[in-house]
Amino acid sequence: AQRVTQPEKLLSVFKGAPVELKCNYSYSGSPELFWYVQYSRQRLQLLLRHISRESIKGFTADLNKGETSFHLKKPFAQEEDSAMYYCALRGGGGSNYKLTFGKGTLLTVNP
Amino acid sequence: NAGVMQNPRHLVRRRGQEARLRCSPMKGHSHVYWYRQLPEEGLKFMVYLQKENIIDESGMPKERFSAEFPKEGPSILRIQQVVRGDSAAYFCASSPQGREDEAFFGQGTRLTVV
Repeated sequence: AQRVTQPEKLLSVFKGAPVELKCNYSYSGSPELFWYVQYSRQRLQLLLRHISRESIKGFTADLNKGETSFHLKKPFAQEEDSAMYYCALRGGGGSNYKLTFGKGTLLTVNP
Repeated sequence: NAGVMQNPRHLVRRRGQEARLRCSPMKGHSHVYWYRQLPEEGLKFMVYLQKENIIDESGMPKERFSAEFPKEGPSILRIQQVVRGDSAAYFCASSPQGREDEAFFGQGTRLTVV
């Protein structure tokens, strides 16, 4: 069965510092990985997906199949990046809609 | 487009009562998904519905939980005879026909059973 692990429940950095939110996964097939973000009192929204290989709000994430990781990185954190971040994997059981989420990492960027 | 709307945002129920959670999908979306997030856990898939059809309910608890998505009106997740263990955040997502891989989430409903 597929699994997504986010080892850090809380992560605190200072403004301008680099930030890396870790995500590891286990999946038998070819995974599709995502990062979702939930700002305070807002909707859970898609931040980026590995297949698009884009940078959103300065964040990037590279799928490393050898290490089964999909870590989220940003070189210079901003206070507005403070939010809950979830790594998710799609697939499994023959479905293209079912998402498996990690437990999330609460990022706090201090001034 | 207001996005996926869930109400209420917060719901408090006593043990044994019924909880009804509503989800209005984005305009033009005909597919709805419900996820549950227990304390200290990630979101877990519960059920996938299209208008008037349950497509996949593999994540739904076998008893007390039901979901519907009628031809008119919002999708409803219904929990009968709630217990403390049902306390969680319940998220709804929707997607357009043929784009099941592109789901947009609501803000969630936080259910507290006292």
